[in-house]
Amino acid sequence: AQRVTQPEKLLSVFKGAPVELKCNYSYSGSPELFWYVQYSRQRLQLLLRHISRESIKGFTADLNKGETSFHLKKPFAQEEDSAMYYCALRFASGTYKYIFGTGTRLKVLA
Amino acid sequence: EAEVAQSPRYKITEKSQAVAFWCDPISGHATLYWYRQILGQGPELLVQFQDESVVDDSQLPKDRFSAERLKGVDSTLKIQPAELGDSAMYLCASSLESGTGGRNEQFFGPGTRLTVL
Repeated sequence: AQRVTQPEKLLSVFKGAPVELKCNYSYSGSPELFWYVQYSRQRLQLLLRHISRESIKGFTADLNKGETSFHLKKPFAQEEDSAMYYCALRFASGTYKYIFGTGTRLKVLA
Repeated sequence: EAEVAQSPRYKITEKSQAVAFWCDPISGHATLYWYRQILGQGPELLVQFQDESVVDDSQLPKDRFSAERLKGVDSTLKIQPAELGDSAMYLCASSLESGTGGRNEQFFGPGTRLTVL
């Protein structure tokens, strides 16, 4: 069965420190992976998707099919990065469906 | 900038009562999703529409939940009767289409927080 695992509920780092939010998935086909972010009092929004291979707000994520991972990284955390981050898998099963992980709360400390 | 609208933002009801949530997607978005998010968990897809047709409702508890999108625009999600375990955030999202590529980006509404007493 398809599954997305985010092992950390909370990750606290100091400003300027590197950040890595972990995401592992379970899917036998070709996955589409996404990271969504929810800032305080704001809507859930797309941060980045693996097919774009782009950096958004300094964040990058590389799909590692061998390790079935899609970790989100940023070399230098900023206070404004504090938010809830969700990893999501999109797959085809009749139609296209999304499965979200349980989320990781990132706190960037001054 | 166009946004997905949802109402009400908050709803408190007693168990066994009926509740309804409304969603207005971004204009022109053919695909509409309803998610349920229980505290401490990620969003879980309940139902997905393509225009006015349901394309996936495999996770919708059909004995008590129903959803419609009669004209392929706005949508209503109903629970009757509500149970204590239905307390959650109900999120609506829309996308231009559901296929591959950039046109499938989901845009989320603010959600409706339901509390069942």
